[in-house]
Amino acid sequence: QQQVKQSPQSLIVQKGGISIINCAYENTAFDYFPWYQQFPGKGPALLIAIRPDVSEKKEGRFTISFNKSAKQFSLHIMDSQPGDSATYFCAASNRGGSEKLVFGKGTKLTVNP
Amino acid sequence: KAGVTQTPRYLIKTRGQQVTLSCSPISGHRSVSWYQQTPGQGLQFLFEYFSETQRNKGNFPGRFSGRQFSNSRSEMNVSTLELGDSALYLCASSLRPGATEAFFGQGTRLTVV
Repeated sequence: QQQVKQSPQSLIVQKGGISIINCAYENTAFDYFPWYQQFPGKGPALLIAIRPDVSEKKEGRFTISFNKSAKQFSLHIMDSQPGDSATYFCAASNRGGSEKLVFGKGTKLTVNP
Repeated sequence: KAGVTQTPRYLIKTRGQQVTLSCSPISGHRSVSWYQQTPGQGLQFLFEYFSETQRNKGNFPGRFSGRQFSNSRSEMNVSTLELGDSALYLCASSLRPGATEAFFGQGTRLTVV
């Protein structure tokens, strides 16, 4: 049973455009929702995270929008750059932090120059 | 500050053999988690160790085991290897269980032939 569903699988965006990746979860006990960025040959790196008591969190060009009632959250990358080309994973935990993370299957983002 | 170090980076084993992977967490980090990453299943939680004790275990068969030493270094072992065990095995370290950020190593690429 996939507890965190991520879409789309792949995304192609032009430089300067907005990239949007969506995730939906089933377990209402989840209380921590991070996004990870992974470049080829590297391990995932934390990008930004949110807790369910907040509807939006912004860090630079990256914004998480969170809809608790719909059990959905999304990552928006504003002014997308070729250097943002990577695979993005949403995740969730019911331990309040990075413990026992459940990951979505990833979105491969390509930003064309 | 050195990151998470995983050794070896690449490994080729034959079906039926066993393998041991090593992870040295960031200095001062006492919690170590292991994840399996495959194209089909994505990132899946294997287990987590803190203070030499396994705190959490994912849904993997008993062939997968691990341990943590007093210096927080961790090893995971897979016995009776199967072709389906071919994957990137990632180690993540954090200060303590429930910390908001987990830092991933580059992983060990295991190929079972």
